Amino acid sequence: AQKVTQAQTEISVVEKEDVTLDCVYETRDTTYYLFWYKQPPSGELVFLIRRNSFDEQNEISGRYSWNFQKSTSSFNFTITASQVVDSAVYFCALSVGSNYQLIWGAGTKLIIKP
Amino acid sequence: DSGVTQTPKHLITATGQRVTLRCSPRSGDLSVYWYQQSLDQGLQFLIQYYNGEERAKGNILERFSAQQFPDLHSELNLSSLELGDSALYFCASSAGQVPTDTQYFGPGTRLTVL
Repeated sequence: AQKVTQAQTEISVVEKEDVTLDCVYETRDTTYYLFWYKQPPSGELVFLIRRNSFDEQNEISGRYSWNFQKSTSSFNFTITASQVVDSAVYFCALSVGSNYQLIWGAGTKLIIKP
Repeated sequence: DSGVTQTPKHLITATGQRVTLRCSPRSGDLSVYWYQQSLDQGLQFLIQYYNGEERAKGNILERFSAQQFPDLHSELNLSSLELGDSALYFCASSAGQVPTDTQYFGPGTRLTVL
């Protein structure tokens, strides 16, 4: 069975702090894809990144970075120098070929205080 | 802007009524997915269509139905509405038929059943 765990229900930090959102996944498939989505207060779901299981290189996009570690089945997301606009719910999701649907984590609500 | 459009943005109706939610996928995408997001259950996959054919079914109630038309737009029909159907309904689209493709989400339709 596949599963995604986002153990942090809510994180609150002060602006300009760095923050890491954890994502731990479970699957027995050797080929799978991991995703992060952002849901700001306005409600839309915004795609952030897609990573396949054969690419363990870390990804950096501006203030966002992702650390993929197969050894610990984790795909963590770090925001550097956080800003108020980063306040949102962030979802991690897993996709495997043997399952017809995305498996979603419960989401982490990130609050950035000015 | 993901390129996925959904109408209407908000919908308020009464119990027992029927509503239709509409989705237009991104240009070139053949798959359409429907999700329900309620406060207590997170993101729930409802159904997927690929090029007009039903591809996968999730936790969709029998009172709910969907279809994808030849022009690839999709409609989700919700009937005999109950208070518990109040939720944010998302449509997503992707290029292919497998869930490992990136899904791009529309802005959602917020349904309130009174």
